[in-house]
Amino acid sequence: QVQLVESGGGVVQPGRSLRVSCKASRLIFTNYGMHWVRQAPGKGLEWVAFISHDGSNNYYADSVKGRFTISRDNSKNTLYLQMNSLRREDTAMYHCAIDMWSSSWPFWGQGTLVTVSS
Amino acid sequence: EIVLTQSPGILSLSPGERATLSCRASQSVTSNYLAWYQQKPGQAPRLLIFGASSRATGIPDRFRGTGSGTDFTLSISRLEPEDFAVYHCQQYGSPPFTFGQGTKVEIK
Repeated sequence: QVQLVESGGGVVQPGRSLRVSCKASRLIFTNYGMHWVRQAPGKGLEWVAFISHDGSNNYYADSVKGRFTISRDNSKNTLYLQMNSLRREDTAMYHCAIDMWSSSWPFWGQGTLVTVSS
Repeated sequence: EIVLTQSPGILSLSPGERATLSCRASQSVTSNYLAWYQQKPGQAPRLLIFGASSRATGIPDRFRGTGSGTDFTLSISRLEPEDFAVYHCQQYGSPPFTFGQGTKVEIK
């Protein structure tokens, strides 16, 4: 079964930076686009960013544009999210998910918790 | 941006009853790329339905997705104890990809 494991979350002060990672296994990572989706405590799901299979295209939610950068290292089967200028409202569980085109996003990681607090 | 509005916010039902959840889009969803996810506390979302009406692998046939354009419905024919959870609709046809606010199906 496909496995996605996020890491790198933690407590960070407002205005600081953090990078979270998502390690994929049991799939041909280079074949698929990838997403980051977050969920603030007690709230709904919010899409954050997308990167194409080869990293040539990406899209961002307006709420993170200019502050967050999505990237990937296909040699390491790993997806990243670099988060700069963090705000309290960025506090959330961050999940990675695989884009399977018309079949939507069937595989998700369990998430890594990012808490922005002074 | 396509805004998805789910109703009701909370659905209180008993096991064995039928559940009907609605998801309305502010504009037509590209290629009917509308998905439904189930989420339980402390877990990642689980894909139930994609393309508005196709069941994902391993999803029992009591889950049914219907609709097109701007109006979509998830039906659960007979609620099992494990079906009590939060359900999210999502459009994945065009960025920014968006989710509804969720419907909680709780035990009455």
